[in-house]
Amino acid sequence: RKEVEQDPGPFNVPEGATVAFNCTYSNSASQSFFWYRQDCRKEPKLLMSVYSSGNEDGRFTAQLNRASQYISLLIRDSKLSDSATYLCVPLTDSWGKLQFGAGTQVVVTP
Amino acid sequence: DAMVIQNPRYQVTQFGKPVTLSCSQTLNHNVMYWYQQKSSQAPKLLFHYYDKDFNNEADTPDNFQSRRPNTSFCFLDIRSPGLGDAAMYLCATSRETLSGYTFGSGTRLTVV
Repeated sequence: RKEVEQDPGPFNVPEGATVAFNCTYSNSASQSFFWYRQDCRKEPKLLMSVYSSGNEDGRFTAQLNRASQYISLLIRDSKLSDSATYLCVPLTDSWGKLQFGAGTQVVVTP
Repeated sequence: DAMVIQNPRYQVTQFGKPVTLSCSQTLNHNVMYWYQQKSSQAPKLLFHYYDKDFNNEADTPDNFQSRRPNTSFCFLDIRSPGLGDAAMYLCATSRETLSGYTFGSGTRLTVV
C-alpha cells in the first residue's frame, strides 16, 4: 500500500460549485498534515496546515479522520483560479520530512 | 522577494554530461531538501541537509550527489544524466520546527 493515496481526478467542477476529495495515509503516527496546491509546471505552494481535527481558511476546509486515516479538502464557491493539482502531505518525521501524494487535479469550468 | 531561488529555471544537458543545479535561500532555514518530480507524479525526496548533516534516501541513485557549502546554498550534481533523469527538480527549505516547506520555483531538466 502506498504511504499516501489520492484520487488523481480530474474533478471537473462548475464555477461556484463545491468540490471535495480525500487523501488516505498509511502511517497512523502522522500527526500533522499539509495541503499544497501545484499549478501546471510550477512549484507546490502551501495551501493549508492541519494540526488537529481540521482547519478552515476562507473557502477551503480540511477535515481529518484519524480513525479511518484520511484527510479531506473541501473547496466552496469554486473559482477558475482554483484549477490546480492538490497535493496531500502527511508529516511522518519529527524533523519534517514530507511524503507527498501524487495529487488530485481539479478543473474549474466557467 | 523570492526567498528560495533556483537556477537555472530551465536546463538542457547532453546524455552523460555532468550538470549542476543550484538553490539559494534567504530564510536562514536549517533544513534544505532536493526533490525530483516527473510528470503527473508526486515529488520524490532525493536527499536533505539538516544543517550540515547530509541524509540520502535509500533509493536515490548514486548518480545524484549534493553539496551544501553554507546555510544559504545547496547544489544538486548529476554526474552522468540519463534520459530518465529528465524531470523538474525542486529545492525546498524548512525550519527545525516544521511549518511546511518553502519551495523554489524549480529547475526543469531536459536530457538530450
